[in-house]
Amino acid sequence: DAGVIQSPRHEVTEMGQEVTLRCKPISGHDYLFWYRQTMMRGLELLIYFNNNVPIDDSGMPEDRFSAKMPNASFSNLKIQPSEPRDSAVYFCASSLAGGRNEQFFGPGTRLTVL
Amino acid sequence: AQTVTQSQPEMSVQEAETVTLSCTYDTSESNYYLFWYKQPPSRQMILVIRQEAYKQQNATENRFSVNFQKAAKSFSLKISDSQLGDTAMYFCAFMSSGGYQKVTFGIGTKLQVIP
Repeated sequence: DAGVIQSPRHEVTEMGQEVTLRCKPISGHDYLFWYRQTMMRGLELLIYFNNNVPIDDSGMPEDRFSAKMPNASFSNLKIQPSEPRDSAVYFCASSLAGGRNEQFFGPGTRLTVL
Repeated sequence: AQTVTQSQPEMSVQEAETVTLSCTYDTSESNYYLFWYKQPPSRQMILVIRQEAYKQQNATENRFSVNFQKAAKSFSLKISDSQLGDTAMYFCAFMSSGGYQKVTFGIGTKLQVIP
């Protein structure tokens, strides 16, 4: 298995632009998670899905952020409009259901908003 | 809500020596899972070791072992025979047994292995 795939690996955009981050989870995994990592706040859970259904989006910072999972093989996280404070590394992770199963992380997308 | 505390922002260790990273957590649950993840400079998060709270025996994975003290809510990671490749951020993480696989991460400890 190729693991969790994220694209792009790096994104540089200007303030006000729409940003779309993409994730392909490991085939067969039931859960998908979106995290944001910054030096100041560490690793923050933004939203997660179970069987393509959003379970908890309480970590999404503002209405500018949205995430969808149209099928079991794909999810995207959109920021519209983007702001400089959105600059961070965004990780996608997936896992199987069942207590001891760990999350498998993608390589992350480093987002820079100028 | 569960919290995970890592009180050591940075640590260093000489190559081949042993180092222990600390982690405490707060929960009212009796059954849960604990993890240590490693994030090297490549930024890829990798699972190092896991511990089920119902197991009294401390988990071990090669050079990595944990000291799990359930009553004290403590979960430290010991790295033996440290290698340069161990240089990374280490995150302690908590997962409830009944909580949709949701994980709470600590802020991380930056470990530098010195040659």
